[in-house]
Amino acid sequence: TQLLEQSPQFLSIQEGENLTVYCNSSSVFSSLQWYRQEPGEGPVLLVTVVTGGEVKKLKRLTFQFGDARKDSSLHITAAQPGDTGLYLCAGPQTGANNLFFGTGTRLTVIP
Amino acid sequence: NAGVMQNPRHLVRRRGQEARLRCSPVKGHSHVYWYRQLPEEGLKFMVYLQKENIIDESGMPKERFSAEFPKEGPSILRIQQVVRGDSAAYFCASSRGGRDTEAFFGQGTRLTVV
Repeated sequence: TQLLEQSPQFLSIQEGENLTVYCNSSSVFSSLQWYRQEPGEGPVLLVTVVTGGEVKKLKRLTFQFGDARKDSSLHITAAQPGDTGLYLCAGPQTGANNLFFGTGTRLTVIP
Repeated sequence: NAGVMQNPRHLVRRRGQEARLRCSPVKGHSHVYWYRQLPEEGLKFMVYLQKENIIDESGMPKERFSAEFPKEGPSILRIQQVVRGDSAAYFCASSRGGRDTEAFFGQGTRLTVV
């Protein structure tokens, strides 16, 4: 069974601070996706990383896929209250197209 | 260019009634996934369907729950004889399938069983 563990589970920071959240697995994934979910809404796809070692930037968000494709990180620079939400990583299960979701990191950015 | 559409957004059912949740995927997407989310928790996979076929239903309870994705029309998640423990947000996602696993989510249906 593939397992995606995210850390930390909860994170509360002041506006303007930097942060990193992690998504780790003992299994290799062909790709990993990051989603953000705001209260009362569905998850919104932020990025997909495919190649080991890949780095993708989305404004103040930087996503990295581990060289071995077993882990990924999301770094946010100068966090803003609008970044508040549940951040989820997800990857396709081995031999299937079904997406398996991590446990999530709940981020609160305090103005 | 509509995204995934789910309806209703909110559904209230009494214990023992049936709940029907609908999901219209992104145009051109033939793969649909259903997930359940309890308050303050992550997404739990329920079922994965392609047109007219159930590919993986390993996350769906064996009793009372069923899903379909007919050739024409939306995907339906059906819960018979609902109980209080079925109260949750149910999300549908769709993708093109094949090597493309990027999934796009609807806004969910919040089911409350009273």
